[in-house]
Amino acid sequence: GQSLEQPSEVTAVEGAIVQINCTYQTSGFYGLSWYQQHDGGAPTFLSYNALDGLEETGRFSSFLSRSDSYGYLLLQELQMKDSASYFCAVKGTGGFKTIFGAGTRLFVKA
Amino acid sequence: DTGVSQDPRHKITKRGQNVTFRCDPISEHNRLYWYRQTLGQGPEFLTYFQNEAQLEKSRLLSDRFSAERPKGSFSTLEIQRTEQGDSAMYLCASSLEHRTGGYEQYFGPGTRLTVT
Repeated sequence: GQSLEQPSEVTAVEGAIVQINCTYQTSGFYGLSWYQQHDGGAPTFLSYNALDGLEETGRFSSFLSRSDSYGYLLLQELQMKDSASYFCAVKGTGGFKTIFGAGTRLFVKA
Repeated sequence: DTGVSQDPRHKITKRGQNVTFRCDPISEHNRLYWYRQTLGQGPEFLTYFQNEAQLEKSRLLSDRFSAERPKGSFSTLEIQRTEQGDSAMYLCASSLEHRTGGYEQYFGPGTRLTVT
């Protein structure tokens, strides 16, 4: 089967750094993506990793290790507006179907 | 372009009725996806179109669900004989494939369906 696992909740303070992990199990692999979703809003794309290593986009970075079937999203200099749900996602076999994790709810405290 | 749009934004229907939702993707995007999302869960894949061709449909979908994208532009999702378990947010997304094979999906605001 195909599945993704990520922590259900993470809490951090403003200005801190937080890492959200994602492990996946797929029969084919076409890259790992991350999406952010605020309450009542639509998911918005954050990053994509096709190859091993770190991708940096401003305060957000994403890492992938294909040999470990593992990735993470790193959020630096946390702001209150970063409080949201974060989903990792992979393409399934055939490269069409996209499978999302259940999401990690991030709470940023002052 | 203002992004992906969906209509209606909210729909309340009685059990057993049919409903149809519309999605207008970003104009140059050839890929279109439908998802269903319930509270506290990630988007659940329903179906995928590349241009007008429906290339994949979730096995989780019963025959009550059907989707079309007749001219490779807008898409409709129909649910027949709605059940209370169909209550959810229905999300549409569109994308272009990057040269690296990446895929940034742009989501619409969703249609919230409530079946009473």
